[in-house]
Formats: sequence, C-alpha cells, structure tokens
Amino acid sequence: DAKTTQPPSMDCAEGRAANLPCNHSTISGNEYVYWYRQIHSQGPQYIIHGLKNNETNEMASLIITEDRKSSTLILPHATLRDTAVYYCIVRTYNQGGKLIFGQGTELSVKP
Amino acid sequence: GAVVSQHPSWVICKSGTSVKIECRSLDFQATTMFWYRQFPKQSLMLMATSNEGSKATYEQGVEKDKFLINHASLTLSTLTVTSAHPEDSSFYICSANQGAEQYFGPGTRLTVT
Repeated sequence: DAKTTQPPSMDCAEGRAANLPCNHSTISGNEYVYWYRQIHSQGPQYIIHGLKNNETNEMASLIITEDRKSSTLILPHATLRDTAVYYCIVRTYNQGGKLIFGQGTELSVKP
Repeated sequence: GAVVSQHPSWVICKSGTSVKIECRSLDFQATTMFWYRQFPKQSLMLMATSNEGSKATYEQGVEKDKFLINHASLTLSTLTVTSAHPEDSSFYICSANQGAEQYFGPGTRLTVT
C-alpha cells in the first residue's frame, strides 16, 4: 500500500471548519483514500473514503485532487468532541485488505 | 455501522502468565479479522491477520509463538499473549472486515506487572 504524509498536529477553533491535509503522491489507480480517527484510548472510527470524486457524509467531506496525489478531510463545524488523531490511509478496495496506519494528525479543537 | 467488541477492556497480569483477549463481530460475520498493538503516543501497528478456519498471517517481527491467534468461528477471534512480560504492556485493538469496510473494537489495555 502507498504511504501517506500528514502534519503531526493542528489546532482548530470550535465551530470553525477543520481542514486536514494528506499527501499520497504514490497512490495507485486502484487504491482508495480512507480516513479514520482515534479518540484517546478508544478504537479507531471510520469517517469516510473515496476514489477520485469528492465525497460527503454526515461526519465529514473528502476532497481529492484531480491527480489524486493529495486529499483534504473537512469537518465543517468542529466541536470539542472532534479532538482526536486523524489517520489518512490508502488501500485497495477489496475484501481482506489490511490497513496500515501512519502517524496521523493530532487535531485539537479549542473553545 | 457494524459493531466489534473486545473482552476484556482491560487486564492486569503477572509476568510469566498468559492472557487471552477476545474479539467478536456482533452483527455480522467476518472471515478476516486483524490484530493491532499500540504503545503510548504511537500509531497502531498491525500484528497479524486472522483468517477463519486457517492459520493467521503475522507481520514481520511479530513472534507467532508468543502471540497465538485463533479464529475458530466467523464471529470470534482470540489473541493469547503467552508468557507475558512488562514490555508486552500495550493497548491491543482488533478489527473486522465487513465487505470492504473495516470496523474496530474498543481495545484492550494490557498491563503486565
């Protein structure tokens, strides 16, 4: 699986949008971009995934650049409960595919 | 989304003893489950892939004789830490695939004294 690069930490004001970047310049054509987050001392939580089109669900939006070498996870109205480590992972979309976690971005939402 | 549970949520054991951690998929069947380990302030490290009805596949550097994995049914995988030592103290997390999605358990904190 391709590797990803994320900033180690970011701050965001409560109520504002949090934009978390991820670089995946070596992504293959059949690899998807997945985002998970991990709140302290809990298991990771799935957020969203996409291939090349922008995606949106009740938690977040995922913007993937046209060349697919980078993406941005957007939390439109961050709350204190969104404070967590956010992981960007690329992997093939097949059953049994393992997830390899990088270091992620530690997002701190501040009042 | 699908629910994965782990038991126990935390355990303290003495050095030299063995500890078993259970991972269950509550509302779906999982032919493949994964076991991760996480040390403080670090990311998750994949230990092994657990396959129902067959031997687990271990990542490089993970001792298969120390971390015994059994996936006897489509809803249960177990990880046994044998002859545990203080350096095995960690947060152990399992996950299970449902289709192309992967869902994680809440984790088990192991402390070896």
